[in-house]
Amino acid sequence: AQSVTQLGSHVSVSEGALVLLRCNYSSSVPPYLFWYVQYPNQGLQLLLKYTTGATLVKGINGFEAEFKKSETSFHLTKPSAHMSDAAEYFCAVSEDTGGFKTIFGAGTRLFVKA
Amino acid sequence: DVKVTQSSRYLVKRTGEKVFLECVQDMDHENMFWYRQDPGLGLRLIYFSYDVKMKEKGDIPEGYSVSREKKERFSLILESASTNQTSMYLCASTDRDRGSNSPLHFGNGTRLTVT
Repeated sequence: AQSVTQLGSHVSVSEGALVLLRCNYSSSVPPYLFWYVQYPNQGLQLLLKYTTGATLVKGINGFEAEFKKSETSFHLTKPSAHMSDAAEYFCAVSEDTGGFKTIFGAGTRLFVKA
Repeated sequence: DVKVTQSSRYLVKRTGEKVFLECVQDMDHENMFWYRQDPGLGLRLIYFSYDVKMKEKGDIPEGYSVSREKKERFSLILESASTNQTSMYLCASTDRDRGSNSPLHFGNGTRLTVT
């Protein structure tokens, strides 16, 4: 069965600092992995997705994520935070089990301080 | 761009009422999903559908039903609304075929309050 754990419900960084949002997953088969972002009063939008064979995935707005199979992790990073990055971030996993259920983590709210 | 439209942004209903949440997508996607979003719990899957008239239970289907009579429309039904169903409801769709990792496309959500 799939599950997703995001460490830290809230993360606060200063503008210009490194952003690191953690995600660990469990899956019985090779998973599809995603990061989504949600701005206030909006639905979720795709930030990036894992593609088989690539360990470092680049997304929009300067974000990237590293897939580590041995650690079952898919942490999201950005070298330099911007005020506009303040939002809620969700890690998600889906697998082909006859229907493409996508399971989400609890989310991490990112605060960026000036 | 894919557009997923949820008919209402805000709804206020009374306990015991029958509530319909409507979702329409314009990209001919086979798969559609209903999630509810609650603080600290993330998104939890209620129901999903991979074809017209097909439906599958998600992780929290109790108290809900769905209808998919046309490919582009997926309705969530609360047969008898209760206060614990006060939440943000998000509809999503994808053209994900077997072996594909196409992402979900979300609507802007419906914030339902049951009083």
